[in-house]
Amino acid sequence: VQLVESGGGLVQPGGSLRLSCAASGLTFSRYWMSWVRQAPGKGLEWVANINQDGSEKYYVDSVKGRFTISRDNAKNSLYLQMNSLRAEDTAVYYCATVEGYAFDIWGQGTMVTVSS
Amino acid sequence: QSALTQPASVSGSPGQSITISCTGTSSDVGGYNYVSWYQQHPGKAPKLMIYDVSNRPSGVSNRFSGSKSGNTASLTISGLQAEDEADYYCSSYTSNSALAVFGGGTKLTVL
Repeated sequence: VQLVESGGGLVQPGGSLRLSCAASGLTFSRYWMSWVRQAPGKGLEWVANINQDGSEKYYVDSVKGRFTISRDNAKNSLYLQMNSLRAEDTAVYYCATVEGYAFDIWGQGTMVTVSS
Repeated sequence: QSALTQPASVSGSPGQSITISCTGTSSDVGGYNYVSWYQQHPGKAPKLMIYDVSNRPSGVSNRFSGSKSGNTASLTISGLQAEDEADYYCSSYTSNSALAVFGGGTKLTVL
């Protein structure tokens, strides 16, 4: 069972980035999925959730209108499209499966740095 | 400022027991039995240790236990071991706009 994030990097303020999360060893289409981020030296922050078929999506207020969560069950993949990036979006971004109301399986994370 | 309040640090000696608190409101911790706890070693991803207040996932040591009273949840680690030294985060479902909120984290030091 494994989740592997990719797509992080250095981007200028106002720029865009698309994160991916590839799932293996689990029935991806069975799970709600989440993105959780952690700013350097800080705590965890839930960012977004998506249900099994992608028809329900929820976001933390600070990213509403800028970030879009999506998934492709045929490719066992989760995505986070991040637009209008700000310095405060700098963080390690983790994807995680949601089991009930807990974040069960986590990826290793991908670092996003927003800086000029 | 985090939505859930945790002590910044706790410490204990090997073999002892420690408890980490997580205080919220009636909109999150107090209103639902959906509190979870995560262990994070430096540079690593978080690991689920407790879900739904007091349930342990398969493979998690029974030295870890959870409970809740009112708006405060607690994680107790008994028989402290050196490998337990890590950051611990609580999380809860919330009826506010964010579906999930985390605590600020507690650094556990095993003396």
